[in-house]
Amino acid sequence: KNEVEQSPQNLTAQEGEFITINCSYSVGISALHWLQQHPGGGIVSLFMLSSGKKKHGRLIATINIQEKHSSLHITASHPRDSAVYICAVRLMNRDDKIIFGKGTRLHILP
Amino acid sequence: DAGITQSPRHKVTETGTPVTLRCHQTENHRYMYWYRQDPGHGLRLIHYSYGVKDTDKGEVSDGYSVSRSKTEDFLLTLESATSSQTSVYFCAIKSSANQETQYFGPGTRLLVL
Repeated sequence: KNEVEQSPQNLTAQEGEFITINCSYSVGISALHWLQQHPGGGIVSLFMLSSGKKKHGRLIATINIQEKHSSLHITASHPRDSAVYICAVRLMNRDDKIIFGKGTRLHILP
Repeated sequence: DAGITQSPRHKVTETGTPVTLRCHQTENHRYMYWYRQDPGHGLRLIHYSYGVKDTDKGEVSDGYSVSRSKTEDFLLTLESATSSQTSVYFCAIKSSANQETQYFGPGTRLLVL
């Protein structure tokens, strides 16, 4: 079983829809990251969370430490949001160890 | 982008040949990482470095070696490339200012024939 599981693997939605991508993990963590990888391949860090909720523009990330679950939400989705979204966790007491989910491929149709 | 560059950006080589990928950073970050990304897998750590001449293995280190003779450069070497090493390779640094954030280079696409 993978230590970091994302769902869904693929998601296609219409422009304007509210998007939710989920990440569950089975290990103790010190932080969780959401990353965005565009079709060109570049990887950008969106959020780092250790508790609660963060918001940046139309993106919202939440984490529930007790349930070992995080969600990434996109409000008023736009075709330019089309990308692969990757969840990654930093293991507790292992600053050097990050485990990545396999990613969720999001396609927003105009 | 935290001043990270990778070279080459694309490479095609043949099985059995040596290949070296270079990661260069301009902001004096201590931690540097090499990952590979393959379909059906998340990013997987190959090797990492926590300072000049200080390196350690990641989860998929077999067939790879690294060197860090100066802060700004972290080299990944495939001593004898195999087709299973066809992948996209990403270098990353851990921000000195924000220790929790990793910044990624643009990636190197390697094809081993």
